[in-house]
Amino acid sequence: DVKVTQSSRYLVKRTGEKVFLECVQDMDHENMFWYRQDPGLGLRLIYFSYDVKMKEKGDIPEGYSVSREKKERFSLILESASTNQTSMYLCASSPYDLYNEQFFGPGTRLTVL
Amino acid sequence: AQTVTQSQPEMSVQEAETVTLSCTYDTSENNYYLFWYKQPPSRQMILVIRQEAYKQQNATENRFSVNFQKAAKSFSLKISDSQLGDTAMYFCASSNTGNQFYFGTGTSLTVIP
Repeated sequence: DVKVTQSSRYLVKRTGEKVFLECVQDMDHENMFWYRQDPGLGLRLIYFSYDVKMKEKGDIPEGYSVSREKKERFSLILESASTNQTSMYLCASSPYDLYNEQFFGPGTRLTVL
Repeated sequence: AQTVTQSQPEMSVQEAETVTLSCTYDTSENNYYLFWYKQPPSRQMILVIRQEAYKQQNATENRFSVNFQKAAKSFSLKISDSQLGDTAMYFCASSNTGNQFYFGTGTSLTVIP
């Protein structure tokens, strides 16, 4: 079975802190994605990566950056956390053939105080 | 960009009854896939069912089936013999050659004992 893990289920940070969210997948998938999930807004794509060191902006990249140094790991970075970044963050991966399903991690619920 | 619309924020169904969740989408692509994902409370998002746009036949997975109306750009999910474990948030999604998934805002389904 595909396994996508995220470094934390719950995280509480202060405004202005630099925050790292880590995601690891164990199925050698080319594609990896970061979404944020908010009530009434569904899932919105922040960034995705289709290869090591490659990244593409999604719909809401402002205030975020990403890093993919290894194929299995995709990190989301909040350079200076703000209260409006309080949300659920979901990581997903999929094989290169985008018609395959995305496999999701359990999510990280981030609260910025 | 594609858009996916779920017009039913919340629904409920009696156990053992049938319920249909609605989804419409908008795309200019010829090749695309459509998906229904399920997110149980505090649990990981998982794929329920997938439909290939070029296939006429509606996809079926046990108690879950879709009604795919390509001309109307409609993709509804029917859950038969509803079970308590079907209580979850359901997301409709589409993918295209641009290597991205587009998600609707979700429908929260409650199965009532």
